[in-house]
Amino acid sequence: GAVVSQHPSRVICKSGTSVKIECRSLDFQATTMFWYRQFPKQSLMLMATSNEGSKATYEQGVEKDKFLINHASLTLSTLTVTSAHPEDSSFYICSPLMEVQRSGANVLTFGAGSRLTVL
Amino acid sequence: QKEVEQNSGPLSVPEGAIASLNCTYSDRGSQSFFWYRQYSGKSPELIMFIYSNGDKEDGRFTAQLNKASQYVSLLIRDSQPSDSATYLCAVNPFFQNFVFGPGTRLSVLP
Repeated sequence: GAVVSQHPSRVICKSGTSVKIECRSLDFQATTMFWYRQFPKQSLMLMATSNEGSKATYEQGVEKDKFLINHASLTLSTLTVTSAHPEDSSFYICSPLMEVQRSGANVLTFGAGSRLTVL
Repeated sequence: QKEVEQNSGPLSVPEGAIASLNCTYSDRGSQSFFWYRQYSGKSPELIMFIYSNGDKEDGRFTAQLNKASQYVSLLIRDSQPSDSATYLCAVNPFFQNFVFGPGTRLSVLP
């Protein structure tokens, strides 16, 4: 179990354009989705938390109007980077929360990540 | 401030040796504890999780949890060069978001 599909894996775009990253949990349903960003040689940085059907909660310093998150279903969440600029170049990783049956534990799974380069 | 601390390394061990990775956390209310492995340029992948005191073994990996000491560790037996990666400790405080440590970089020397 815990198959997560994230697309695109790499994207290069011009400054000022918007980029949409899609994340699907293929064999489980995720009520909660986390979106992380990671700059080279740095730690994971949580950007936002979204619950299916609700507005996302953004971490301090993350612009909600710039990073639009949609979590319309239990298996699909999208992150749109609007009006991207070179400083938005980073590795974006989705992380659906999966409930492990019989253990009661919730486990963070990860997509393969999307490497965004803004020229 | 809920914190998870790890030695950043790099931790270097010879091939075939036991690698020991350590993690401490500050929130006594933490319920679940996770170890992830992250190769350079890739996203993290789950190695194992533990939520009861004691040891949990999975193949060459053993997680050890001591809630009284707020300490969790990961042992990798018979270390291989392919185990060279950054190992992330993550803690899940009750009803709260996961908190990640900064990671320990492990290098297994052939």
